[in-house]
Amino acid sequence: AQTVTQSQPEMSVQEAETVTLSCTYDTSESDYYLFWYKQPPSRQMILVIRQEAYKQQNATENRFSVNFQKAAKSFSLKISDSQLGDAAMYFCAYRGSIYNQGGKLIFGQGTELSVKP
Amino acid sequence: GAVVSQHPSWVICKSGTSVKIECRSLDFQATTMFWYRQFPKQSLMLMATSNEGSKATYEQGVEKDKFLINHASLTLSTLTVTSAHPEDSSFYICSAPEGWREDYTDTQYFGPGTRLTVL
Repeated sequence: AQTVTQSQPEMSVQEAETVTLSCTYDTSESDYYLFWYKQPPSRQMILVIRQEAYKQQNATENRFSVNFQKAAKSFSLKISDSQLGDAAMYFCAYRGSIYNQGGKLIFGQGTELSVKP
Repeated sequence: GAVVSQHPSWVICKSGTSVKIECRSLDFQATTMFWYRQFPKQSLMLMATSNEGSKATYEQGVEKDKFLINHASLTLSTLTVTSAHPEDSSFYICSAPEGWREDYTDTQYFGPGTRLTVL
């Protein structure tokens, strides 16, 4: 079974600085997708960034970028120029084959990010 | 982007009663929807996969007779917590993929969640 592990329950960053959130996963599949979701205090889940496993190039979305290391099964999120609005719970998620897994997401434990002004 | 709504956003009920939570995809059709449960400061735990026109698929350890799921149409899935007890108090979230494209990519959209409190 696939598992997702986030080993940092809490992280803190100074406004305008850069922070990296870690995520590792375990799978025997070759085709899969990885995601970072943000859950602010409102608890609405928001997609931050997505990475397709077959793509070697790391995904980027404005201030957010990932370091995808397929062999190491590592998928970290880097937030540059941190803003107060980035404070939230961040979840790493895995999605395998829709044929084998039905498209369900498997989430890590989450990392609570605080941003200091 | 697409929108998924949930109703109600917050419900309080007495122990032993049943509660129905609705999940709707507002501007797209969803043959599949997912139901998650989240305790405070914890991750989302998948409860079941709701399939339009067929039975739901439950994750191991989830009581299917307690958490009834009905995918009534391509835009509506309901979760009914039967004979609710205080330990069922939690935050319930649904999600729906907008659609599987040829490259198997998709975007899953999440509802805003329903806070259930059982007294």
